[in-house]
Amino acid sequence: EPEVTQTPSHQVTQMGQEVILRCVPISNHLYFYWYRQILGQKVEFLVSFYNNEISEKSEIFDDQFSVERPDGSNFTLKIRSTKLEDSAMYFCASSYANELFFGEGSRLTVL
Amino acid sequence: QKEVEQDPGPLSVPEGAIVSLNCTYSNSAFQYFMWYRQYSRKGPELLMYTYSSGNKEDGRFTAQVDKSSKYISLFIRDSQPSDSATYLCASGEVEGGKLIFGQGTELSVKP
Repeated sequence: EPEVTQTPSHQVTQMGQEVILRCVPISNHLYFYWYRQILGQKVEFLVSFYNNEISEKSEIFDDQFSVERPDGSNFTLKIRSTKLEDSAMYFCASSYANELFFGEGSRLTVL
Repeated sequence: QKEVEQDPGPLSVPEGAIVSLNCTYSNSAFQYFMWYRQYSRKGPELLMYTYSSGNKEDGRFTAQVDKSSKYISLFIRDSQPSDSATYLCASGEVEGGKLIFGQGTELSVKP
């Protein structure tokens, strides 16, 4: 069964460093997303991406964040200068229409 | 007012019980509704997807939507210890659009 894959599963970084989280969405899907979940809190929308551009972003997704689909398969989230409060699970998701399928997540720890 | 509200629990039931999980939402523009299951430190797994008022059944799971009262439910029949997880409801407005998640209800099914 096709699935969304994410790397790395866990990344530890120092405050102020740049981080890139990678995702391979399901191959025939059209919409791509990043969500995050701070420990013990709800899953929060960050950004959606369609037709090679951002279609919607939340207020969390400020200038420190960027997304890219550099080739036909990968979808990346970059955090330019990490802050302590960026520590969270980051989930990539993809959909063909309305049903979103999530990856297992990348746990980011900022020290 | 939170757009999607869900009692966080925890909810503990004996094996074989019928479980009822509930959410309310405030945004009348929500058109479709999902239920996800999330095991600890894992990605959300799609269980059910509905887009109209009424019931939808899949095996031991039944999703129910009442748009008039903005109320969504998930019923689990013959609950098993393997059903122990956090259940997330989520709602969205348009195809390809963001999902808004509830807090999640932690369910424990005791053998």
